[in-house]
Parts: sequence; C-alpha cells; structure tokens
Amino acid sequence: DTGVSQNPRHKITKRGQNVTFRCDPISEHNRLYWYRQTLGQGPEFLTYFQNEAQLEKSRLLSDRFSAERPKGSFSTLEIQRTEQGDSAMYLCASSLEYRGGSDTQYFGPGTRLTVL
Amino acid sequence: DAKTTQPTSMDCAEGRAANLPCNHSTISGNEYVYWYRQIHSQGPQYIIHGLKNNETNEMASLIITEDRKSSTLILPHATLRDTAVYYCIVRSPRSNDYKLSFGAGTTVTVRA
Repeated sequence: DTGVSQNPRHKITKRGQNVTFRCDPISEHNRLYWYRQTLGQGPEFLTYFQNEAQLEKSRLLSDRFSAERPKGSFSTLEIQRTEQGDSAMYLCASSLEYRGGSDTQYFGPGTRLTVL
Repeated sequence: DAKTTQPTSMDCAEGRAANLPCNHSTISGNEYVYWYRQIHSQGPQYIIHGLKNNETNEMASLIITEDRKSSTLILPHATLRDTAVYYCIVRSPRSNDYKLSFGAGTTVTVRA
C-alpha cells in the first residue's frame, strides 16, 4: 500500500522561471488536494480535484498557478514566473470519497520550493 | 475563521501519556473532529477522527465530550518520535466542504 508520492522533493529555481510539481495519489483515490505551507504556518488549501474535474480554487491560487489532473490519476501544479514569495512547501493529499461519512485526506511528503 | 482552539505548546515526559486538548465550541452536528500531526519538514500525518463517540486506533485515542464542544487526543505512551505539531481540525463531510483548515496547532515536545 503505497502512500501519496510527490516529485521532486526539493526544487531551487531563480525568480522568473517556471516550475512544475507532480503528485501521485494513493491508488483509486478519486479526490486530490493541493496545499501550500510557509515557514511557521499550517498548510493552506490551494485547490481540489474530484476525478479530473477541478472543483475549487483558493484565492491564494493566482493566475500564475495552474493545476491539472488530466486522467483523474496524477496531478501537476505549475507555477509560472516564480517570485520569491512562492517559496514554500507544496503539499498534495488524496482521499477516497465516502458517502457514508467523512473521507480522510492522506498527505504526501511535499515539495519544498526555494525561489532565489 | 478559526473553528478550533489549541494551546500553543506543551511538554511531555517520554513514556507518559500526552493529553492534547482542543476546543471547538461552535462545532455543528455533522462536523467531524480530525487530528493530524506534522513532524518537522514532513507532510501532515493523519492520526484519528471522530464524530460523537470516543475512538481508538493504534496511534491514539480521541475523547469527545458529550456536548461535542471539546475533545482530547491521548497519546498513551509518548516517545521522542512523537515530537511534532499537532493539529485539531473540524470538517463537514458535505460535498462542498472539501478542504482541511489548519490552525497553528500545538507544538508538542517529548522530553527524555
């Protein structure tokens, strides 16, 4: 039973460059979430997918950010024209929709982005 | 719009039980109480969740008061590896309430 995996684990980039992160959810989990965590803060919600449909986006997700989940399996999060304020840990979580109660989100190890 | 209140920090002796309180006085009838923890530089780890009844698993026990306005997470025999930030979160299973809203959590330090 493999958990949520994220790649790369660390990314250092220069301001203005584009970066893309990948998340592989737990097999058969139909819900996928992206969160961002800055130093000393709890994770903040960015966006949510149910299967391949992106159903909610946080106001934190500016137009430089785009997320996809093309076949309802893995997801990518792209940041264009990175800024130093984008430096953070980007976390992915997945869950299995459970109509009888509340689904539980399981998190990956995160991708730490440093923008120089 | 914090829904939970937790102490900022607490210490615990290794081998002793750690009791982590959480206040959620505005919880609604269909909201679950979730606990996660985050060890330094790792992703949050699910611990346990409950609605009304007390719950126990291999990691911890969750005690929810009868009025559901507060709960306590119990780590029965704390070890140094339990040092982490612990988050108490309330969440509704309604179809349009997807996200987990993390607060500041409680920084738990287990001392030898």
